[in-house]
Amino acid sequence: QVQLQESGPGLVKPSETLSLTCTLSGGSISTYYWSWIRQSPGKGLEWIGYIYNTGRTYYNPSLKSRVTISVDTSKNQFSLKLTSVTAADTAVYYCARGLVTYYYGSGIYYHDYWGQGALVTVSS
Amino acid sequence: SSDLTQDPAVSVALGQTVGITCQGDSLRNYYANWYQQKPGQAPLLVIYGKNNRPSGIPDRFSGSSSGNTASLTVTGAQAEDEADYYCNSRDNSGTEVFGGGTKLTVL
Repeated sequence: QVQLQESGPGLVKPSETLSLTCTLSGGSISTYYWSWIRQSPGKGLEWIGYIYNTGRTYYNPSLKSRVTISVDTSKNQFSLKLTSVTAADTAVYYCARGLVTYYYGSGIYYHDYWGQGALVTVSS
Repeated sequence: SSDLTQDPAVSVALGQTVGITCQGDSLRNYYANWYQQKPGQAPLLVIYGKNNRPSGIPDRFSGSSSGNTASLTVTGAQAEDEADYYCNSRDNSGTEVFGGGTKLTVL
């Protein structure tokens, strides 16, 4: 059974770097793609970015200058770093597994497994 | 990235049918996926692609699309279907986007 678990500090000071790790169990991180998604309190889901098993990354343009996603295949983990955080970055951060299937040549990209989420509060 | 637009709230009488829509330019080229989220829980995939349900998702959930609009239909809504629903897709630049979410109330 695939399981994802986020871990990292729950409190980060303004202007510092938010760092989270997602650990995969029950599968291999060497396949599929791996995403970070966040949800500010009382708000909707916001896609942050993803990394392919090749190491190629794609980021939300609104966060691109501050985000880095990396993968450590030896530990079956992938990570998120978000620099220069402000109170607006306070959110529940989710990691998720991304899958690709094809229908008549069209790619279908979706997230089938999600972590339980990690609340990160930005405050001094 | 492209935007996906959803109605903020929809309601349905118990046992009736309801549709939730999602509009955006990216949907002309990419299928939408639909996620259900209940309070305090992680999102749960209910529909992906043209109209595919993951294992364990009741067949009262179905998806469709036309042009720039994707729809999630709940046929015979149950009390446990009350939740927030989010659509999601990729766009041509390889980035992803979520709709703003629709709060479904079952009366």
